[in-house]
Amino acid sequence: SSELTQDPVVSVPLGQTVRITCQGDSLRAYYASWYQQKPGQAPTLVIYDKDKRPSGIPDRFSGSGSGNAASLTITGAQAEDEADYYCNSRDISGNHHVLFGGGTKLTVL
Amino acid sequence: QLQLQESGPGLVKPSETLSLTCNVSGASISDTTQYWGWIRQPPGKGPEWIGSIFHSGTTFDNPSLKSRVTMSVDTSKNHFSLKMRSVTAADTAVYYCVFPVGASTGEEYWGQGTLVTVSS
Repeated sequence: SSELTQDPVVSVPLGQTVRITCQGDSLRAYYASWYQQKPGQAPTLVIYDKDKRPSGIPDRFSGSGSGNAASLTITGAQAEDEADYYCNSRDISGNHHVLFGGGTKLTVL
Repeated sequence: QLQLQESGPGLVKPSETLSLTCNVSGASISDTTQYWGWIRQPPGKGPEWIGSIFHSGTTFDNPSLKSRVTMSVDTSKNHFSLKMRSVTAADTAVYYCVFPVGASTGEEYWGQGTLVTVSS
């Protein structure tokens, strides 16, 4: 199967903008989704279909992507955005197969 | 509101079979064109897709699990189940049932997760 690669650690000063990236061959064929996970909680969907926000997700979260890469941008990061973020997509190597990236730990300074 | 709840033993011995059930409430397991599924997360690691199942019984599972997985659905009880054979310590994880899997609709539901530890 293919893989989705993320930077393990990213930090951002409070109120600034941060971009979290994800790379993988599957992203050439399928849109990425992004999940936020805080300690002890299940992951929460924050972006789907590359750039769509589920209901209830603040508009400071946005998604983009091109080629084999996808990005999650937080514009004006808040303290409560400190969390692990995972990208996700379908896997080109198998029908209905699903991939997750290794995750990015975001620290808000 | 759709709710998912995992149930099953929290401790399984090495080489034995892990068995979990996901009870679905708030919707009929048959009343959808999407797949139900299982995702696990080892301690300190990222999520890993285990497999997906349709209400008809059609399944897809992660090749990395080397065919150790069996999934089933019981529409009369409105639940679906996971069995994983020949477990090792590497299968220790929080196991989540999720809906939908492999399709993006903007509405997604996760169970609270259940920690399964593989240890003698």
